[in-house]
Amino acid sequence: EPEVTQTPSHQVTQMGQEVILRCVPISNHLYFYWYRQILGQKVEFLVSFYNNEISEKSEIFDDQFSVERPDGSNFTLKIRSTKLEDSAMYFCASSGHRNTEAFFGQGTRLTVV
Amino acid sequence: QQQVKQSPQSLIVQKGGISIINCAYENTAFDYFPWYQQFPGKGPALLIAIRPDVSEKKEGRFTISFNKSAKQFSLHIMDSQPGDSATYFCAEAGNNRKLIWGLGTSLAVNP
Repeated sequence: EPEVTQTPSHQVTQMGQEVILRCVPISNHLYFYWYRQILGQKVEFLVSFYNNEISEKSEIFDDQFSVERPDGSNFTLKIRSTKLEDSAMYFCASSGHRNTEAFFGQGTRLTVV
Repeated sequence: QQQVKQSPQSLIVQKGGISIINCAYENTAFDYFPWYQQFPGKGPALLIAIRPDVSEKKEGRFTISFNKSAKQFSLHIMDSQPGDSATYFCAEAGNNRKLIWGLGTSLAVNP
């Protein structure tokens, strides 16, 4: 069964460093999303991406965040200068059409120290 | 800020019992109400979803009940099994499918 793949599973980084979280969406999907889940809190929407541009972003997704689809398979989330409060589980998701189910990856646990 | 209010925060059920988790939403413009199941170390996986034009949807042991007038929807797990022990999230979305999530319910089914 096709699945969304995320790497790495766990990333530890120093405050102020840049991190890139990687995702390989399901191959024929067109809509891509990043969500995050701070430990013990709810899942929060970060950004949606379609046709090589951001469709929508939340207030969390400030200038420190960026997304890119550098080739036909990868979808990345970059945090330019990490803060302690960026520590969270980051989930990538993809869907075939805007109105269909989003499939989630297993997540990347980001720990900022 | 839009939110979905989910309760209870945690739930313990005996094997074979019925697990019931409730959610209340605010935005009547939303037309998609899914439930996600998440096991430790895994991403959320869609369990079942409903649109507001139906009052109930059943898939196996899982049923969503939707009350449009009360702006509430609930997940019922019949004949709960230890393998159902997980965290369950309700969510809502409009046609852009940006999911707004509840806080989650940690379900433990005792053997």
